[in-house]
Amino acid sequence: DAGVTQSPTHLIKTRGQQVTLRCSPKSGHDTVSWYQQALGQGPQFIFQYYEEEERQRGNFPDRFSGHQFPNYSSELNVNALLLGDSALYLCASSSLPGLAPDTQYFGPGTRLTVL
Amino acid sequence: GQSLEQPSEVTAVEGAIVQINCTYQTSGFYGLSWYQQHDGGAPTFLSYNALDGLEETGRFSSFLSRSDSYGYLLLQELQMKDSASYFCAVREISRGGATNKLIFGTGTLLAVQP
Repeated sequence: DAGVTQSPTHLIKTRGQQVTLRCSPKSGHDTVSWYQQALGQGPQFIFQYYEEEERQRGNFPDRFSGHQFPNYSSELNVNALLLGDSALYLCASSSLPGLAPDTQYFGPGTRLTVL
Repeated sequence: GQSLEQPSEVTAVEGAIVQINCTYQTSGFYGLSWYQQHDGGAPTFLSYNALDGLEETGRFSSFLSRSDSYGYLLLQELQMKDSASYFCAVREISRGGATNKLIFGTGTLLAVQP
């Protein structure tokens, strides 16, 4: 049973560029959430996708956008990269909200460095 | 605003018991989760409390008091491999019910010494 996978593992970009990160959820999961984790901080919620639609969004600018495909995989796109976007980007998959136990499975993350 | 407070660092020795506290202030609350994250790794789920009281899972236990907006993670029989960051996270509730949005604390770095 494959867990959550993310690609690429590491990425280096320069300011102003655009980046696309990818995530495949755990088998049986249909909800994908994206988090940004700066060094020494806890993960910050970016947004969540369910049924190919953005269902919830955190306090992130419109430069951050996403997509979910029919097979439940998801992409995170960041435009006009800033130095402050350097972080570990985590994807978490889960089933429909409300089902117990509450467990989100995180992928290994993509380490983005913006120079 | 929304905030979760945890101690930044805790040090303990192998075989000991350690408690990591978490106090929260959020606009909506459905439950409190605990995650472990080794350096450079993915956060992994440890425990979840939706109701007041103690939940026990092997060497790990978690407690919640909703009236005090407080919870803790208890780690027993500490092992070297328990050295990691530990995060409490509030599961939000919206008008539509429970959500899967997690609000994380800043994390507690646990160092287990021989």
